[in-house]
Amino acid sequence: AQSVTQLDSQVPVFEEAPVELRCNYSSSVSVYLFWYVQYPNQGLQLLLKYLSGSTLVKGINGFEAEFNKSQTSFHLRKPSVHISDTAEYFCAVSDQASYDKVIFGPGTSLSVIP
Amino acid sequence: SQTIHQWPATLVQPVGSPLSLECTVEGTSNPNLYWYRQAAGRGLQLLFYSVGIGQISSEVPQNLSASRPQDRQFILSSKKLLLSDSGFYLCAWSGQHSYEQYFGPGTRLTVT
Repeated sequence: AQSVTQLDSQVPVFEEAPVELRCNYSSSVSVYLFWYVQYPNQGLQLLLKYLSGSTLVKGINGFEAEFNKSQTSFHLRKPSVHISDTAEYFCAVSDQASYDKVIFGPGTSLSVIP
Repeated sequence: SQTIHQWPATLVQPVGSPLSLECTVEGTSNPNLYWYRQAAGRGLQLLFYSVGIGQISSEVPQNLSASRPQDRQFILSSKKLLLSDSGFYLCAWSGQHSYEQYFGPGTRLTVT
């Protein structure tokens, strides 16, 4: 069965500093990977996705993620964070065997400190 | 473009009362539909999903139920609410054979 691990439950970072949010997954077949962002009291918004092709994926708001098959990772990065990036971030995985369901990680709370 | 609506936005209900949350999607046909619950400070728990009218899959046994009376309408119900039903309920949709999901704004349910 698929699973998603987000090693850091909370990440504080100063404004304009770089940030990396870590995500590891377990799946034995080809995977599809996603990062979602959730602002307080709102639904989730898709940040970026990896379906195939280039392992470096660029998303909205200046975020990018790199798919690493050998390390089964899909870490999210931003070179310079802004106060408005303060939110909960969820990594998610699906595969061809269960395309109609997505497994979400527990989330990482990013706090940007002014 | 596609949009997804949920209502109500917030709800306070006493223990033992019934529940009905509604979700509708516009701008697409035959979507997959999902209900998630998010407890305070925690991740998403998939409750139900549907790949078509009248087709409901339950992921977690509980006192909740779901129905899909129309192609783009998904309803979450309960006959008698428990305190543990409190949380943030999210509806989502995806295209057939598509992998990314799109979420509604959510309903904050407090059971007192």
